[in-house]
Amino acid sequence: EPEVTQTPSHQVTQMGQEVILRCVPISNHLYFYWYRQILGQKVEFLVSFYNNEISEKSEIFDDQFSVERPDGSNFTLKIRSTKLEDSAMYFCASSEASAGAPHFGQGTRLTVV
Amino acid sequence: EDQVTQSPEALRLQEGESSSLNCSYTVSGLRGLFWYRQDPGKGPEFLFTLYSAGEEKEKERLKATLTKKESFLHITAPKPEDSATYLCAVRDSGGSNYKLTFGKGTLLTVNP
Repeated sequence: EPEVTQTPSHQVTQMGQEVILRCVPISNHLYFYWYRQILGQKVEFLVSFYNNEISEKSEIFDDQFSVERPDGSNFTLKIRSTKLEDSAMYFCASSEASAGAPHFGQGTRLTVV
Repeated sequence: EDQVTQSPEALRLQEGESSSLNCSYTVSGLRGLFWYRQDPGKGPEFLFTLYSAGEEKEKERLKATLTKKESFLHITAPKPEDSATYLCAVRDSGGSNYKLTFGKGTLLTVNP
């Protein structure tokens, strides 16, 4: 069964450093998303991406965050200057249609020290 | 006020003991209610989508139902491998076309 793949599975970074989280969505999906889950808290929406542009973003997704689809298969989330409070599991997801269910990857655990 | 409220927060069952999980929601217009299963340290695994009141979906020991205010996930004769956190999420057409809003989840433990 096709799945969303994310790399790395775990990343440790120094506060203030830039990180790039990578994702390969399911191949025939057109809508891409990033969510995050701080330990013990709800899964929270960050951003959705369609047709090479951001279609929606949350208040969390400020100027420190950016997304990109650099080629036909990868989808990335960049955090320019990480803060301690950015420590969380980051999930990439994709869906076939805008009303469809997002399918999630296994996540990248980001630890900012 | 939370848009999605799940109850109970935790549920412990004996193998074979059927039960239900609840998801209450508040939206301007429902553009889908989604159930996911999440194992520790993993991503949410899609189970069901429901779009309109009265709709029901089934998969193995799980059955999801939907009313205008809540959804239930019924678990029939659960097995230990059904132990996980079950997440409910809604897509609200009132302000969003894409975003899912999640509840806090119900942690289900099934003892052998």
